[in-house]
Amino acid sequence: DAGVTQSPTHLIKTRGQQVTLRCSPKSGHDTVSWYQQALGQGPQFIFQYYEEEERQRGNFPDRFSGHQFPNYSSELNVNALLLGDSALYLCASSFGQGSLDEQYFGPGTRLTVT
Amino acid sequence: KQEVTQIPAALSVPEGENLVLNCSFTDSAIYNLQWFRQDPGKGLTSLLLIQSSQREQTSGRLNASLDKSSGRSTLYIAASQPGDSATYLCAVRGGTYKYIFGTGTRLKVLA
Repeated sequence: DAGVTQSPTHLIKTRGQQVTLRCSPKSGHDTVSWYQQALGQGPQFIFQYYEEEERQRGNFPDRFSGHQFPNYSSELNVNALLLGDSALYLCASSFGQGSLDEQYFGPGTRLTVT
Repeated sequence: KQEVTQIPAALSVPEGENLVLNCSFTDSAIYNLQWFRQDPGKGLTSLLLIQSSQREQTSGRLNASLDKSSGRSTLYIAASQPGDSATYLCAVRGGTYKYIFGTGTRLKVLA
């Protein structure tokens, strides 16, 4: 079992650019959630995708968008990057129809905006 | 609005000590609570999940309890080891699908 995988591991971008981060869920999982974690803080919920649709969204601007593919993998897109977008971006997968809803996290993508 | 607090923010203990990490939440209407471990610069590793109908869960040297009425959960680590050094995060899910995280407790176990 490969677990949750994310790519790339690290990324450096310039202010104003756009970035796409990718996530493959754990085998058997159909739900993907994205979180942003600033240094020294707990993860902040960005949004969750289930059945290829955004099911829940946190307090993030529309510059943050996502997509889920039929194989349940997901992308997070961030437009017009700001310095404040520098963070560790975490993807979590779970089984959307189960009552347990245990979240399994990937290793994260470290985004640095200069 | 749900808020999650973890105290203490940092903890340093000698190897072999039993310890308790605390997690408080403001809204008792939760669906479940999950404890995670995070090593520096890494992703989160799930330790224990407690559903709202449960009082505690155990895995090896770890025991997590939940008291919804008082808005508290504790993570008990028995016979701590240097390999337990990490940041421990608790996360609460309410009636929506999102998890609200605390800021974590940074644990250092000294050999």
